[in-house]
Order: sequence, then structure tokens, then C-alpha cells
Amino acid sequence: SQQGEEDPQALSIQEGENATMNCSYKTSINNLQWYRQNSGRGLVHLILIRSNEREKHSGRLRVTLDTSKKSSSLLITASRAADTASYFCATDRIIQGAQKLVFGQGTRLTINP
Amino acid sequence: NAGVTQTPKFQVLKTGQSMTLQCAQDMNHEYMSWYRQDPGMGLRLIHYSVGAGITDQGEVPNGYNVSRSTTEDFPLRLLSAAPSQTSVYFCASSFRDRGYGYTFGSGTRLTVV
Repeated sequence: SQQGEEDPQALSIQEGENATMNCSYKTSINNLQWYRQNSGRGLVHLILIRSNEREKHSGRLRVTLDTSKKSSSLLITASRAADTASYFCATDRIIQGAQKLVFGQGTRLTINP
Repeated sequence: NAGVTQTPKFQVLKTGQSMTLQCAQDMNHEYMSWYRQDPGMGLRLIHYSVGAGITDQGEVPNGYNVSRSTTEDFPLRLLSAAPSQTSVYFCASSFRDRGYGYTFGSGTRLTVV
């Protein structure tokens, strides 16, 4: 029942490198969101991109959205050890006639010092 | 500004017991929701509320009840706990049910034995 699917499921890189995570979805959306979850903690909202936007930046984060391919990517530049976390994309989806936010299964990112 | 507060953080129940997971937010958000997070399943929506006095079912509502008597509080009740309800439960709130990022609580880790 997942709307968004992240790829890869796990990613391990060296500190300072860039990390790219992808999200694909199946149905049309109004917006797509990215969240971070540190181990044992709740999810933290990172960025929201609307369907009429193609790219959005927030600090070291860059999100792109390609509605024709039904995909989004999250780029973290100059990664730090503190970026180690799971990253989730979330898209709106109609459930029982109401629009709700549906999460993918996430990408586990490990930044090696 | 505390954000979204969930209690308890950990709980062990015996099969058949009932309990209430508490969720409170101090941001005057209209929308509140409950998710459960299981390995390999991502986050799944249990119940949600678009305002005080209004609740509705999400993807996996069976075995759970909710109420929303105030804007601030959105408790989740397990009626008769089952091992299949072992999970991490997250409460989330948002200004509206769409188009805005969610603020998550830190979660309740529930084990049913």
C-alpha cells in the first residue's frame, strides 16, 4: 500500500561526499515531502515540494521533482556524520475518499568518518 | 514550545489488556494523526482527525479507537492488545491535512506479549 518507494534501501558514504536518494511514486500528487528519522526518534520534516515546482533548496539539501517520471530525488551535499539517519519520502494519496500522507519505507544513510 | 508530546515512551502489555497512548500538541494544529512503524512496512496511518470532534479511519484502524475532544489532545486506545500490535507508534500534527509538513512526536514503543 506504499505510495512512495525509496531507492536505495541503504547507502553508505564517506564524510564530505554527496548523498543522493531517490523516491518513485505511482499516482499523481499535489506535493511530495522528505523526512529524516534518527535512530529511536520521531520523523523530522525536511522539505516540501509542490507538484508545480521542479527544484527546491534548503541549506545542504536539494530536492528535485519530475512529475512526468513520477520521481523525486534528495541530495545532501558535503555530508556529515550527523546526517546518518533514515530518510523517507511521503506523498499525498486518497484513502477512503480523503487525501492523506503516505510514507515509503525509507533509505538508511550511513556517513562514515 | 514543546511541539508534539507522546506518553509513555515504552510500554509492555499482556495480550488482552487495554491502554491509551497519549498525544498532545501545543501548536494549535488542526490536523492530528497516528501512525505505526514496523520493520519493512514503513509508516502506516491508523486514525486521523481534521479538527476537534472529527475523527476518521486510516489504512489500519482495526483494534484501535481515537477521540478528539480538544484541539490539543488526540489519544489512541488499544481495546484488547494483540501481539500483532507490537510496534512503534507515532503521533503527528500539522496546520492542515494537506500541503504542510507534519510535526512528529518521539514515539511510543509498545510490546504485546
